[in-house]
Amino acid sequence: SQQGEEDPQALSIQEGENATMNCSYKTSINNLQWYRQNSGRGLVHLILIRSNEREKHSGRLRVTLDTSKKSSSLLITASRAADTASYFCATDARYSTLTFGKGTMLLVSP
Amino acid sequence: NAGVTQTPKFRVLKTGQSMTLLCAQDMNHEYMYWYRQDPGMGLRLIHYSVGEGTTAKGEVPDGYNVSRLKKQNFLLGLESAAPSQTSVYFCASSSGLAGFTDTQYFGPGTRLTVL
Repeated sequence: SQQGEEDPQALSIQEGENATMNCSYKTSINNLQWYRQNSGRGLVHLILIRSNEREKHSGRLRVTLDTSKKSSSLLITASRAADTASYFCATDARYSTLTFGKGTMLLVSP
Repeated sequence: NAGVTQTPKFRVLKTGQSMTLLCAQDMNHEYMYWYRQDPGMGLRLIHYSVGEGTTAKGEVPDGYNVSRLKKQNFLLGLESAAPSQTSVYFCASSSGLAGFTDTQYFGPGTRLTVL
């Protein structure tokens, strides 16, 4: 399986701090996406990074991709309580559907 | 636009009962998906569809059936519910313009308990 595996499983920080979560996968991918899930809700797309990109920014989000190490990281800068959620990476390979990891639970305390 | 909607939001079934979950999207998306989410397991793909009248099996299709008679609707059926099907079910859709790479838009989920 090429399922992504997020690390850590849970992360607890204070407001204003940065949060970094990682995703590792097993096989070659076309793209990698990050999604957020607030408690009891559906997933919301955050950002997509293509296999030929190394870094991408979107507001307070920074995503990196290292295809040689088959890993990606999501950095949330200046975290807010509203960032409290679970974060999932999802990978896709040629002609295959997205595969989601098990997620990182982020708790941002005021 | 409502996006992706799911009905019902909650359901309790007894073992052996049947039910249908309805997913509807108003974004004219070609692709639609059904996932289940269990604690510690992430999202697992049950079935998906790449267009009206088509369906395909995902990672965990056993015990489920689906139909895509209209482009905007994707139905998930449980013919004989089992306690192992207790889960939260999410429907999602994507445009299909870039194949499976497209952003997926998720519904709010259906929490199903099978006693």
